[in-house]
Amino acid sequence: LAKTTQPISMDSYEGQEVNITCSHNNIATNDYITWYQQFPSQGPRFIIQGYKTKVTNEVASLFIPADRKSSTLSLPRVSLSDTAVYYCLVSSLLVQGAQKLVFGQGTRLTINP
Amino acid sequence: EAQVTQNPRYLITVTGKKLTVTCSQNMNHEYMSWYRQDPGLGLRQIYYSMNVEVTDKGDVPEGYKVSRKEKRNFPLILESPSPNQTSLYFCASSLYQGSTNEKLFFGSGTQLSVL
Repeated sequence: LAKTTQPISMDSYEGQEVNITCSHNNIATNDYITWYQQFPSQGPRFIIQGYKTKVTNEVASLFIPADRKSSTLSLPRVSLSDTAVYYCLVSSLLVQGAQKLVFGQGTRLTINP
Repeated sequence: EAQVTQNPRYLITVTGKKLTVTCSQNMNHEYMSWYRQDPGLGLRQIYYSMNVEVTDKGDVPEGYKVSRKEKRNFPLILESPSPNQTSLYFCASSLYQGSTNEKLFFGSGTQLSVL
């Protein structure tokens, strides 16, 4: 099962683009990569998901290279409200058909004025 | 509104006193799961359920029980809580569990303190 590794913390400023990279060296062929955002006193919230290349939605982009051993969450023009913990998640299927979710330790992103 | 509801939000108890944390979802999701979140350890799965009457252990199941008698409810039971179970607990659900691209919907969490 893929283990994920991401930076413990990052700092940036309002208006900047922020890139958070997650390493998942043992990712399997059918595994997907998902990123979640968590604010204090709340549960994690889905941001974006991808399998390969690039995915973009209204809040973020996800870049996945051809070997899929890492992924990068890109947040364009961040604001103070983007201060949160960001989790990289690799989801695999076990032999019995159940989904196995491996969360990273999370990256605490702090946006400064 | 589609949501996962956990109760209570905060709970303080003493060692050995049985407790139940409830979790309910209104999205007709098949898959439900419980996680605990501890500083420096991220989210770790306790138990999961693929459907009614089907449950299985996650990564840290010791000291916990679950049941899935109805599709919408998935309570977490601590028969004899101990201080090392002090943690922030999250319930989550997703539509289906037979693929790897499911999106999880999380509850707001239950902060449990065992004295």
